[in-house]
Amino acid sequence: ETGVTQTPRHLVMGMTNKKSLKCEQHLGHNAMYWYKQSAKKPLELMFVYSLEERVENNSVPSRFSPECPNSSHLFLHLHTLQPEDSALYLCASSHPGQGAYQFFGPGTRLTVL
Amino acid sequence: GNSVTQMEGPVTLSEEAFLTINCTYTATGYPSLFWYVQYPGEGLQLLLKATKADDKGSNKGFEATYRKETTSFHLEKGSVQVSDSAVYFCALTAGAVVAGKLIFGQGTTLQVKP
Repeated sequence: ETGVTQTPRHLVMGMTNKKSLKCEQHLGHNAMYWYKQSAKKPLELMFVYSLEERVENNSVPSRFSPECPNSSHLFLHLHTLQPEDSALYLCASSHPGQGAYQFFGPGTRLTVL
Repeated sequence: GNSVTQMEGPVTLSEEAFLTINCTYTATGYPSLFWYVQYPGEGLQLLLKATKADDKGSNKGFEATYRKETTSFHLEKGSVQVSDSAVYFCALTAGAVVAGKLIFGQGTTLQVKP
């Protein structure tokens, strides 16, 4: 039990669909992250929230829209995705200022048809 | 810029073999170095870390030494087990440890056969 849960674990969607990924942490952390993990590529940091404020957005296309309503929950809203967006999307959390010690969820395997 | 390079996988070993996974880095300042492990179907877990030159991180029989002169942080284990089969990620943070500044390598898959 890592303390970071993600739902759904698997998602298949068409390019015109709208879906959302959910992340929840039970560790008392105040920083949360979205990563994209593609085969044979380094993990790509997408977004960082610290104390519910977005502090980093690494040139992610606008078809990905994050939301952090409170320090325990993080969402990634998806719309009009492309097949190349198929990947494993990982959520992580940490204490603010301790970004090296991140706890990861199991990820959502996304397939875009 | 900051980057991490790992050896290509997969690495396939027999049980009780010696493991080395190479990791080299490029960074400004004085990075902290990490190895994370991802078991099948799970998220990444911190395996070990080293925060300054010549430090040795260790955990679960794995070791890595921070070598500033060769900008390396190779992961080693003397005798691997089937349960060590996973993807291993080398990572760094440069300068102060701030939120979200982990930079990962591409990962190396380890397969251990009985």
